Amino acid sequence: GENVEQHPSTLSVQEGDSAVIKCTYSDSASNYFPWYKQELGKRPQLIIDIRSNVGEKKDQRIAVTLNKTAKHFSLHITETQPEDSAVYFCAASPPGAGSYQLTFGKGTKLSVIP
Amino acid sequence: DGGITQSPKYLFRKEGQNVTLSCEQNLNHDAMYWYRQDPGQGLRLIYYSQIVNDFQKGDIAEGYSVSREKKESFPLTVTSAQKNPTAFYLCASSIVGGGRRWLNEQFFGPGTRLTVL
Repeated sequence: GENVEQHPSTLSVQEGDSAVIKCTYSDSASNYFPWYKQELGKRPQLIIDIRSNVGEKKDQRIAVTLNKTAKHFSLHITETQPEDSAVYFCAASPPGAGSYQLTFGKGTKLSVIP
Repeated sequence: DGGITQSPKYLFRKEGQNVTLSCEQNLNHDAMYWYRQDPGQGLRLIYYSQIVNDFQKGDIAEGYSVSREKKESFPLTVTSAQKNPTAFYLCASSIVGGGRRWLNEQFFGPGTRLTVL
């Protein structure tokens, strides 16, 4: 089955700096890669996703890049703010008829220091 | 935060007891999912269902059971066979569709924290 590795497990940045979180996946046929943000005590919420037919997607301060050859994708947060502090999860979805599974990475705890 | 709800928020269970966690959604989503979250482990899929009266095992289904009698509801039973049930349980739902079978955004409920005493 699919295996998703996520690094780093913790990340501290100064407010205003950029943060980068990287994930690798094992199944070259995976075609959907979402990123979720989970604030303390709250539910995960989708912040951005990318499909295998594009290499990069941007939404204001957040961007995701996908390298299918290397089987890795990354989340980039620019101009970080204290409210960006949370746990971020990447995930990958293997294709297949009727397959609706997401395999998640173990998460990255991001701390933005004011 | 309407749309998908879970109850109760906290649940305590004695060893040997079965407990059922509730998940309801009013988003008219066909697919529903149950995940288990442990510290440092990410989210692991327990069961998922694409349509009413049908469901599939995820990666860690042992010791759990589900039913999908209604589109809106997907309860999870944690049985006494689950060796280490203390965890945070998250339910999610998504639409099904797209001619190319793209997976769609999963919306999560607020979760149930289960503790075995």
